[in-house]
Amino acid sequence: QVQLVQSGAEVKKPGASVKVSCKASGYTFTTYYMHWVRQAPGQGLEWMGIINPSSGSTSYAQKFQGRVTTTRDTSTSTVYMELSSLRSEDTAVYYCARDQAPGESSGYYLYWGQGTLVTVSS
Amino acid sequence: QSALTQPASVSGSPGQSITISCTGTSSDVGSYNLVSWYQQHPGKAPKFMIYEVNKRPSGVSNRFSGSKSGNTASLTISGLQAEDEADYYCCSHAGSSTWVFGGGTKLTVL
Repeated sequence: QVQLVQSGAEVKKPGASVKVSCKASGYTFTTYYMHWVRQAPGQGLEWMGIINPSSGSTSYAQKFQGRVTTTRDTSTSTVYMELSSLRSEDTAVYYCARDQAPGESSGYYLYWGQGTLVTVSS
Repeated sequence: QSALTQPASVSGSPGQSITISCTGTSSDVGSYNLVSWYQQHPGKAPKFMIYEVNKRPSGVSNRFSGSKSGNTASLTISGLQAEDEADYYCCSHAGSSTWVFGGGTKLTVL
């Protein structure tokens, strides 16, 4: 069965960077795009970016351009999301979510990681 | 890439129907039939309910339906049940391989 297992909670100071991992299993890793979505406490969902695990190509929301980097390691079927220059407003649960359409970005996600809480506090 | 606009809250009684709107622009909702809807219960990951405007994945009740007119997409839930009480989010393609969510709507079943 498809599983997305994310790394554990992180506490970071303002200005630092955080790198969250998402290990996929139960399907061919390179077939499906992976998205990153975050949710601040009591707030809505916010789309951050996408990676094509086959080519490594990425696209990001304008809001995060220059601060976010997504990468993948095909040998371990893991995608990573690194967010830099952290500020308190970045405190949120970060989810990886697998696109449902093979080989393309369809924007619908049946499978989600369990979420990683990133807390930014001095 | 501004968030799509959803009402903050809607409510209805068991058995009734409700509709949640999701208003975007001609650059997102209006340009693509790639609108999806998610249901999220507190403390849980979102659940995928509707894709490509009006398609239901297997396992989702036919009480949930989607539609779109111009720059506004809508989710209708008929025969409201207590377990439908949750937050609902729309999501649309916004061009250049980017996506945008709505601000979310809290559904209360009275």
